[in-house]
Amino acid sequence: QAVVTQEPSLTVSPGGTVTLTCASSAGTVTSGHYPYWFQQKPGQAPRTLISDISNKHSWTPARFSGSLLGGKAALTLSGAQPEDEADYYCLLSYTRGRPVFGGGTKLTVL
Amino acid sequence: EVQVLESGGGLVQPGGSLRLSCVTSGFTFSSYAMSWVRQAPGKGLEWVSALSGTGDNTYYADSVKGRFTISRDNSKNTVYLQMNSLRAEDTAVYYCAKTLGVVATHPADWGQGTLVTVSS
Repeated sequence: QAVVTQEPSLTVSPGGTVTLTCASSAGTVTSGHYPYWFQQKPGQAPRTLISDISNKHSWTPARFSGSLLGGKAALTLSGAQPEDEADYYCLLSYTRGRPVFGGGTKLTVL
Repeated sequence: EVQVLESGGGLVQPGGSLRLSCVTSGFTFSSYAMSWVRQAPGKGLEWVSALSGTGDNTYYADSVKGRFTISRDNSKNTVYLQMNSLRAEDTAVYYCAKTLGVVATHPADWGQGTLVTVSS
């Protein structure tokens, strides 16, 4: 089974920009992996931010965007707010319909 | 508004069984696949299982295949996760989620989760 790798932790200044990445041990991440991004705050259920690389949900703040970057899936936060401090997870689809989560990135806004 | 509500969690002994239920509302249930994701205490997310809108296609993580069974009752807008031969490592919060398609595996609209504890 493929391993999905994310940065364990990142720090961004309020108002700053940060990019979180999601890599696959099987090689380049493509649209065929249908990358999703999720946000989870302490004590809360996850919520989906981005689906299929870059599609936002109705509740996704405009400052979040998704893309493919350098062979990885990427989540960019532009203009970080204190409330963006959370864990972020990506999810990639592989064959036989068994997607794999990344280990998560703990984002600190400081 | 999409609503997803899990129930059925609790304390169970190793080797025991438990059935989780997930009642939904706010969308045409049979038109969407449903998925289960779990999170062990202090750990990351783990995708567990998914079931197509018609119930014809099922998918399982290797860690639960042969022990867990996903099913749905489209007349009750409910999806189930039957968990047998439970192990300590199955201890987790189990989240149910609506996906974005009739045959899909990725969670989109999440419930609040139900805690399953496997311990003697």
